[in-house]
Formats: sequence, C-alpha cells, structure tokens
Amino acid sequence: GNSVTQMEGPVTLSEEAFLTINCTYTATGYPSLFWYVQYPGEGLQLLLKATKADDKGSNKGFEATYRKETTSFHLEKGSVQVSDSAVYFCALSPTGRGADGLTFGKGTHLIIQP
Amino acid sequence: NAGVTQTPKFRVLKTGQSMTLLCAQDMNHEYMYWYRQDPGMGLRLIHYSVGEGTTAKGEVPDGYNVSRLKKQNFLLGLESAAPSQTSVYFCASRTPTNEKLFFGSGTQLSVL
Repeated sequence: GNSVTQMEGPVTLSEEAFLTINCTYTATGYPSLFWYVQYPGEGLQLLLKATKADDKGSNKGFEATYRKETTSFHLEKGSVQVSDSAVYFCALSPTGRGADGLTFGKGTHLIIQP
Repeated sequence: NAGVTQTPKFRVLKTGQSMTLLCAQDMNHEYMYWYRQDPGMGLRLIHYSVGEGTTAKGEVPDGYNVSRLKKQNFLLGLESAAPSQTSVYFCASRTPTNEKLFFGSGTQLSVL
C-alpha cells in the first residue's frame, strides 16, 4: 500500500538557520506529493505541492523537489523564522485513484528559537 | 469567507455515550473527508464522500458512521464512544479536479 515516512522530531533550530525535513514515500505509479503545515490550534493548510517527477513546489520561502529516483520530497528553507514554528506533514495522492483521501506522514514538529 | 466549519470545537464524553460532529463547507465542494489525528500517528482517514447521498470507508472506519444528506454538510457519528476514540477530528473538502484539501480547525474529543 501507499505510505509516507518523515522525521518526527521535534526539530529545534535557531532563527535564520537552514531547514531540511526529510520525506520519503512508497506508492505505485506517479503520485502527487504535498507538504501541509499545521499552526497551533488550527487545521492543516497546503504549503506546496508537486505533481510529477522533477517538479519543484515552492511557497513562502519553502521548497521541495519531487525526486522519483529516490522516492523523496524533502522540504527545505534557507532561513527560518520564529513564525515557521508548526507541525509539517508530507502527504501523497495516489495516481488515478479519484476521490481517495491523501496518505499523510506522521508529522514533524518544528520549533524555531529566537 | 468561512471555508470549512466544524462544530463543536471541544467535547468530553463518557464511555458509551453517542454524539455527532458536524462539518459544513461553503465552497460547493463535491468531496468531503473525515480524518482523526493522534500523537505519533499523523492523520488517518475515517470516511469520505464523493457527493450528496454517498459515503465510503477510509483506513479506520470502525466505530464511526457518516451521512451526507446535503452537499454542504458531512456528519460524523459515534454511536457508543470508547476511550480509543479520544482524538482530534478534522474535516476536509475539495473539488474533483483539484487535489488541494481545505481543512476545518478541528474538534478535540475526549472519551472518559
């Protein structure tokens, strides 16, 4: 079946540090890949996505590249801010599965210290 | 610009009690979903619906029932609550042509 594996954390960084959150996936075919972010007390929000191999999704300074050869979709940001503190979820949508819900990783709790 | 609204936001139940969680969306989305979020488990799909009058099971459907009588509403029911159903429940919706999910702010449920 489909699955998503990501580091759980918590990941603690200082402000302006470089961020990488690893995500690898298992799926048949060519899934779409997503990063969602959850701020305290809120629902998840789409951060970025990529729908095919070598696509790069980007938003708010975050980037992730769809690497089919390594089945990965690592999230990166060059200089994090305190306001980036949140839980980040990697997710996939199976190919051609229509309405099936997304498969989520367990989430990575990111803490940015001033 | 409400988006996806969940009620209630918090609830405490005793084992064996029943309750219904309501999800309402004002974006005219066809697809709606119920997820539960547990520490160390991420989000797991309970049930989903592709349109009014239709429902389907997700990954963890046992102990829950759902109904989609109106396109804008998706109800999640617990007939006999168990402590294992203590969780945060999220509703989400989307259109058939866009995989982006829109989430509500969640319902925190405790079953004692």
